[in-house]
Amino acid sequence: SQTIHQWPATLVQPVGSPLSLECTVEGTSNPNLYWYRQAAGRGLQLLFYSVGIGQISSEVPQNLSASRPQDRQFILSSKKLLLSDSGFYLCAWSFRGDQPQHFGDGTRLSIL
Amino acid sequence: QQQVKQSPQSLIVQKGGISIINCAYENTAFDYFPWYQQFPGKGPALLIAIRPDVSEKKEGRFTISFNKSAKQFSLHIMDSQPGDSATYFCAAIQGAQKLVFGQGTRLTINP
Repeated sequence: SQTIHQWPATLVQPVGSPLSLECTVEGTSNPNLYWYRQAAGRGLQLLFYSVGIGQISSEVPQNLSASRPQDRQFILSSKKLLLSDSGFYLCAWSFRGDQPQHFGDGTRLSIL
Repeated sequence: QQQVKQSPQSLIVQKGGISIINCAYENTAFDYFPWYQQFPGKGPALLIAIRPDVSEKKEGRFTISFNKSAKQFSLHIMDSQPGDSATYFCAAIQGAQKLVFGQGTRLTINP
């Protein structure tokens, strides 16, 4: 079976600091990978998705970037965090774009 | 046209009652409609899903009703239990495009 791991679970960072959140998937190869952000009490906003190594599509212009250095690894980064980057960040995977997405347990990011 | 509108935003149901959450869409090209359940501090988990060639799908106490002509679909939770208290999201997707989520419904089941 497939599993998805995200870390860290919680993170507190000062404004202007860099960010690196990591997501890995086990039990499948060449999955579609996704990064979402969820503001408190709100829906999910798609940030990036990837259909293969090195292939990243950005949905929202912002302070964040994503990379996929390996088949089952997806990284969300920022060079300088803003207060508005606070939120709950979720990674997800799917077999294909038309298949259901499966989510990790997220990273709660607080910017001070 | 890519939106999925979900209602209500919050819902309180007594234990044993029926919880009903509704979603509406405009894009007739959507061909897959999943529902997700999210507990606090956790990621959303796929609950049940339907394709537009069927009008209803049932899995245990959870049922999706789909009205293609009205472009609406709903989640019914029968015999609602306190453990069902969570936020529920409907979603829709067209082919290999992006999954479009509703804004979520916070469901509270009172014991």
